[in-house]
Amino acid sequence: AQSVTQLGSHVSVSEGALVLLRCNYSSSVPPYLFWYVQYPNQGLQLLLKYTTGATLVKGINGFEAEFKKSETSFHLTKPSAHMSDAAEYFCAVSGSNYGGSQGNLIFGKGTKLSVKP
Amino acid sequence: EPEVTQTPSHQVTQMGQEVILRCVPISNHLYFYWYRQILGQKVEFLVSFYNNEISEKSEIFDDQFSVERPDGSNFTLKIRSTKLEDSAMYFCASSVQATNEKLFFGSGTQLSVL
Repeated sequence: AQSVTQLGSHVSVSEGALVLLRCNYSSSVPPYLFWYVQYPNQGLQLLLKYTTGATLVKGINGFEAEFKKSETSFHLTKPSAHMSDAAEYFCAVSGSNYGGSQGNLIFGKGTKLSVKP
Repeated sequence: EPEVTQTPSHQVTQMGQEVILRCVPISNHLYFYWYRQILGQKVEFLVSFYNNEISEKSEIFDDQFSVERPDGSNFTLKIRSTKLEDSAMYFCASSVQATNEKLFFGSGTQLSVL
């Protein structure tokens, strides 16, 4: 069975500072990993995903994440935070028994990112 | 960008009543999903639907829940007899394919069971 742990329910950074949101996963099969973002009153939007291949994945809005199998981690980073990055971020792993189906996603609890001016 | 739309945005109901949550997936998508998020908890998978039948469901999706695609555009989630613990934000999602594809989520329906 798959699971996801996001360390820190709230993270606050200053504008221009590094953003680091932590995600660790557990999976009995090679994982497919995702980061989603949720802005207020909106649905979840895919930021980036890792399936196979290059372990450093680049997403939208300058975010990237690195898959580290040895650490079972998929942390999300952005070199310089912007006020518009304030949102809730969810890490997810594919939970399907069909090996790669994205539909059955197991989500973490989410990390709310605040950006101070 | 195309959107998944959900109605209503808020639904209040009495315990024991039936509710139907409605979703209009993106028109060329073939796979449809429902997720829910109880306040302060994780987003949880409920069910996936393809070719007019359920393809996967979680243990949460018991006999009180059903899904339907009544016409070519709508995708509904019905809860037959609501319980207090059904109070949650319900998200609909759709995708073109099941594998390695991007899920598009709606903005959710906040269901409050009193």
